[in-house]
Amino acid sequence: ETGVTQTPRHLVMGMTNKKSLKCEQHLGHNAMYWYKQSAKKPLELMFVYNFKEQTENNSVPSRFSPECPNSSHLFLHLHTLQPEDSALYLCASSQTIKRDKREETQYFGPGTRLLVL
Amino acid sequence: AQTVTQSQPEMSVQEAETVTLSCTYDTSESDYYLFWYKQPPSRQMILVIRQEAYKQQNATENRFSVNFQKAAKSFSLKISDSQLGDAAMYFCAYTSRYTGNQFYFGTGTSLTVIP
Repeated sequence: ETGVTQTPRHLVMGMTNKKSLKCEQHLGHNAMYWYKQSAKKPLELMFVYNFKEQTENNSVPSRFSPECPNSSHLFLHLHTLQPEDSALYLCASSQTIKRDKREETQYFGPGTRLLVL
Repeated sequence: AQTVTQSQPEMSVQEAETVTLSCTYDTSESDYYLFWYKQPPSRQMILVIRQEAYKQQNATENRFSVNFQKAAKSFSLKISDSQLGDAAMYFCAYTSRYTGNQFYFGTGTSLTVIP
């Protein structure tokens, strides 16, 4: 148990559905991340939020829409997905310290296994 | 751009023996962090060990140690006295100390522990 929870753990959706993934961290961190994990590929960083501000968006298609209402919660809204979007979606958090020192060890949630039919 | 390479997709080790997982990375920066993460079949990724590039001393955590060769840009993980619970995917990762929030992961090494 890393202090990061994700729901649902498994999700099957059609290409026309709209669904949301939820992530919550209980570690008091101020940075949160969405990753996509596909077989045989490196983890792909999708989005980063730092102090609730989105700081990274790695050319992710607009059918993925993140939302960070506060430092403890992160959502990934999904709509009109494609079968190639099927993957494990991991959320992570870390403590970013401003100025010249960073503590960037990431703590991961268990992931949501997404299957798009 | 930074890249992280794990050239061993699969490794196996006899229980109680020692195994070394390889990782190389490419960066033009001088100050950064390197990590090894473990992802067991249950899928929750957990931190195994962390190295700060400005520290010359190799990090150790119980049975886990690293061989950090900064000039060679190499960061290998040594697991001593391997246990069945060590079976997992192991990912090497890199992040800059100062610039941005990008993390770069390797493709992973699947470790099997043979009883």
